[in-house]
Amino acid sequence: LAKTTQPISMDSYEGQEVNITCSHNNIATNDYITWYQQFPSQGPRFIIQGYKTKVTNEVASLFIPADRKSSTLSLPRVSLSDTAVYYCLVGGNSTLTFGKGTMLLVSP
Amino acid sequence: GAVVSQHPSRVICKSGTSVKIECRSLDFQATTMFWYRQFPKQSLMLMATSNEGSKATYEQGVEKDKFLINHASLTLSTLTVTSAHPEDSSFYICSAPWGDRAYEQYFGPGTRLTVT
Repeated sequence: LAKTTQPISMDSYEGQEVNITCSHNNIATNDYITWYQQFPSQGPRFIIQGYKTKVTNEVASLFIPADRKSSTLSLPRVSLSDTAVYYCLVGGNSTLTFGKGTMLLVSP
Repeated sequence: GAVVSQHPSRVICKSGTSVKIECRSLDFQATTMFWYRQFPKQSLMLMATSNEGSKATYEQGVEKDKFLINHASLTLSTLTVTSAHPEDSSFYICSAPWGDRAYEQYFGPGTRLTVT
């Protein structure tokens, strides 16, 4: 399983765009990149997943460079309710291994 | 999106007793479900993979006789913590993958277990 590295924490203000980058240097050819969001005392919530280039859905965008050794989750115009831990996971059709995640704090 | 429920949401039990936690996929079938444990301020740790119709697969260091898993149907998996001790107090979370895509999992809301 590819190991991931993310910043431990990030701070932002309401209305700003937040980009969280994840490094996964030993990603395998058949690995997908998936991001989850977790609020305190809740199960993680699937945000977005991608394999290469750019993926966008109603809540976020995921940018993946050609070498796939990193990925960036982009949250447009964050609000206070986006304060959470964000996990980057890399894997194929096997089990998920959660790293420490990035604690995003959004302030007024 | 897919919905996974857990019951109970929180439970307090006395040391030495057993506790059963249910995990249900409400609008899709799951031949595989996963059980995680999360201690305060820590990340999720995979405990075991629950397989419908066969034995669960446990991660290294997880006692299979203590954490009994039964995948009774395509929508239900149960985790029983037997002879619970205070150190078993934790947040237990289950998940189910979307189809065969293990990288896209849908998580339950979690169960807070407190052993006194």
